[in-house]
Amino acid sequence: DVKVTQSSRYLVKRTGEKVFLECVQDMDHENMFWYRQDPGLGLRLIYFSYDVKMKEKGDIPEGYSVSREKKERFSLILESASTNQTSMYLCASSFNPRWAEQFFGPGTRLTVL
Amino acid sequence: ELKVEQNPLFLSMQEGKNYTIYCNYSTTSDRLYWYRQDPGKSLESLFVLLSNGAVKQEGRLMASLDTKARLSTLHITAAVHDLSATYFCAVDSGGGADGLTFGKGTHLIIQP
Repeated sequence: DVKVTQSSRYLVKRTGEKVFLECVQDMDHENMFWYRQDPGLGLRLIYFSYDVKMKEKGDIPEGYSVSREKKERFSLILESASTNQTSMYLCASSFNPRWAEQFFGPGTRLTVL
Repeated sequence: ELKVEQNPLFLSMQEGKNYTIYCNYSTTSDRLYWYRQDPGKSLESLFVLLSNGAVKQEGRLMASLDTKARLSTLHITAAVHDLSATYFCAVDSGGGADGLTFGKGTHLIIQP
């Protein structure tokens, strides 16, 4: 079974803090994705990576950055958290090609106060 | 830009009834996915539809894809309470550049 894990299920941070969300997959998938999910808006792609040290912007990259130093790990970084970044963050991974079925982690519910 | 629209966005139905959720998308694609999400949980893959005319069934759920009409349907037969969840369709964005584009989800409540 594919397993995608995320470092925290719930996280509370203060405005201006630097926040790291970690995602690890154990299936040797080439592609990894970060989405945020908000009520009424569905899932929106923040960033994705198709190889180690490679990254591409998704639909809403502003205020975020990512890091992929190892194939199995993809980190989402909020350089200076703001209240409008309060959301559910979902990590996913897939084999190539990039349109292949994605497998999701359990999600991190981030609250920025 | 690919747009994916689901309807209805909210559906309350009784056990034993049949209903269909629709997923329309705006550009040519041969690949569509259905996911299920339970409250507070992550997304679980339900169906992968990879060609025109593809039909997949699992229990009381059946999904189909018409690429010419740019339409997929998720049909629920004789609904049971356990199927209450939010259902998302996702479409390949084309060219492989951006992965999948998701609809906003259909929140389904099945009442006894």
